[in-house]
Amino acid sequence: AQTVTQSQPEMSVQEAETVTLSCTYDTSESDYYLFWYKQPPSRQMILVIRQEAYKQQNATENRFSVNFQKAAKSFSLKISDSQLGDAAMYFCAYRSAKTGNQFYFGTGTSLTVIP
Amino acid sequence: GAVVSQHPSRVICKSGTSVKIECRSLDFQATTMFWYRQFPKQSLMLMATSNEGSKATYEQGVEKDKFLINHASLTLSTLTVTSAHPEDSSFYICSANSASGGWTDTQYFGPGTRLTVL
Repeated sequence: AQTVTQSQPEMSVQEAETVTLSCTYDTSESDYYLFWYKQPPSRQMILVIRQEAYKQQNATENRFSVNFQKAAKSFSLKISDSQLGDAAMYFCAYRSAKTGNQFYFGTGTSLTVIP
Repeated sequence: GAVVSQHPSRVICKSGTSVKIECRSLDFQATTMFWYRQFPKQSLMLMATSNEGSKATYEQGVEKDKFLINHASLTLSTLTVTSAHPEDSSFYICSANSASGGWTDTQYFGPGTRLTVL
């Protein structure tokens, strides 16, 4: 099974600053999808951003962007102009494009935003 | 689009009773639905995968007779915790893959159900 590693259990960032959350994964496949989900205190899992492995261009969604390094199997999330509402658990996830639709989640990074 | 609801959001029950949790895709058809369990400050643990009209596939270590899953339609899956015990207390989350609308490779999550067994 694929493994997804988030090496930062906790991170903090000053409001309006930029923070980067790291994620690495292990796979022998070439075609897959990567995701970042946010889980605020309400516990609702919210899709933040999604990347298709065959695309070289890094995905962006407003203040959220990724640095996708396929050779290094790295998929970090950058949050610019951090806001108080960004405080949450962030989970990185992997999905094969070919061998089923199961997600493999990392252990999560708890992000604190300091006013 | 791609909204998933769960009901109830919170349930408290006595030990030995059964509890049913519903998961609905509101604006899309879900070919596959997933059930997760999440312990405090931990990641999501996949319990089972269900496809409409067929039996669910359970992950290793998950008792299929205890956690009954029914996926009767393309918009509804239910998880029944039978003869619940305090150790079953947890946060249960469902998600769905969209067959149409949204990205078909993406899982859309329900808001979760907090189960407390006394």
